[in-house]
Amino acid sequence: ILNVEQSPQSLHVQEGDSTNFTCSFPSSNFYALHWYRWETAKSPEALFVMTLNGDEKKKGRISATLNTKEGYSYLYIKGSQPEDSATYLCALARGADGLTFGKGTHLIIQP
Amino acid sequence: DTAVSQTPKYLVTQMGNDKSIKCEQNLGHDTMYWYKQDSKKFLKIMFSYNNKELIINETVPNRFSPKSPDKAHLNLHINSLELGDSAVYFCASSQESDDYNEQFFGPGTRLTVL
Repeated sequence: ILNVEQSPQSLHVQEGDSTNFTCSFPSSNFYALHWYRWETAKSPEALFVMTLNGDEKKKGRISATLNTKEGYSYLYIKGSQPEDSATYLCALARGADGLTFGKGTHLIIQP
Repeated sequence: DTAVSQTPKYLVTQMGNDKSIKCEQNLGHDTMYWYKQDSKKFLKIMFSYNNKELIINETVPNRFSPKSPDKAHLNLHINSLELGDSAVYFCASSQESDDYNEQFFGPGTRLTVL
């Protein structure tokens, strides 16, 4: 069974503060790691697809890093805004097995 | 324009019935997927289709069958519905079937089996 772990499960952050959370995965047979943002009552939306060890990707105030050797990825949000409130999912891609999702980190930004 | 659409949004039905959920994507993608969000909120892959070929089939009961009339559609048929089938089902698509393409998700269909 492939385990993709995300921590923390939930997170309350003051507006304006920066935050980060973690996705851990087995480092063997790595293909790619996906990050998705999932707002309540909407569909998951892709943030990043990361493939190379040491990859860093950025989209506005959100960025992510990848360490395939030790099996983790961090997602960072700088200067949190209320619209950042969502569940952030990571998913491990391993070829024919498709995407295996973690349970997500539920982020709440408090004004 | 909605990129990936699903119908119906809500489906309430009795145990033992047969039902279908439709999915359409207008992105010109080659691969479509079905996911189930279980009671613990996990998203789990059920099927994927690439150019009408089933390329993933997880340990899903054979009461569930994907049907793809063309590249833009992947419908999910469920026979003899059981209480445990109650869940939210998401359709998704991606440009190709490899791991390096982001997936675009539909709005989900909440299935309730009574």
